[in-house]
Amino acid sequence: SQKIEQNSEALNIQEGKTATLTCNYTNYSPAYLQWYRQDPGRGPVFLLLIRENEKEKRKERLKVTFDTTLKQSLFHITASQPADSATYLCALVSSSNTGKLIFGQGTTLQVKP
Amino acid sequence: GAVVSQHPSWVICKSGTSVKIECRSLDFQATTMFWYRQFPKQSLMLMATSNEGSKATYEQGVEKDKFLINHASLTLSTLTVTSAHPEDSSFYICSARIGANEKLFFGSGTQLSVL
Repeated sequence: SQKIEQNSEALNIQEGKTATLTCNYTNYSPAYLQWYRQDPGRGPVFLLLIRENEKEKRKERLKVTFDTTLKQSLFHITASQPADSATYLCALVSSSNTGKLIFGQGTTLQVKP
Repeated sequence: GAVVSQHPSWVICKSGTSVKIECRSLDFQATTMFWYRQFPKQSLMLMATSNEGSKATYEQGVEKDKFLINHASLTLSTLTVTSAHPEDSSFYICSARIGANEKLFFGSGTQLSVL
């Protein structure tokens, strides 16, 4: 069966450290993978998109990697800040025809000052 | 950036009543909108794909007669939860895509509580 799995346990780190979140998928062949941030009681906000032919993508303090052999994406936040505390969701398109995005359950990041 | 407005942000209703949730794209035209629901500490579950001017496409297990979706214009899609029951209580979120752009713009969500 198809699965998108993120670590359901909250990640607690100290301010200034690098946070690394993992997204693994099974029985998908996504053309691209996306990462979103969701704050409590709010809709997700798009952060980054990485395509299957890209190994790494950066945006300011954010970095995403995509390993289609391991079927895994890693999401890094460097020099983390308390304001980075949120739930981070990975998502991939189930079918290029429909563009439907399927989401992982998200990992909650807590950055402590 | 593109803005998707969702209204209301929360609603409390009695069991058996119907609730309408609106999703508007404020500064762009959205040919396609997606409706998700989310239970606490769980993932967003896709309910249906809403296409302007045509019938919505529902995901397996989603009752189309219970969750009525209307996408009458390029800037407005509505979700009506008919004869709501306590098990329909959830966080409902709409999203829209600009043309072929892959990323989604989400509304702020609607927390529905059915008593």
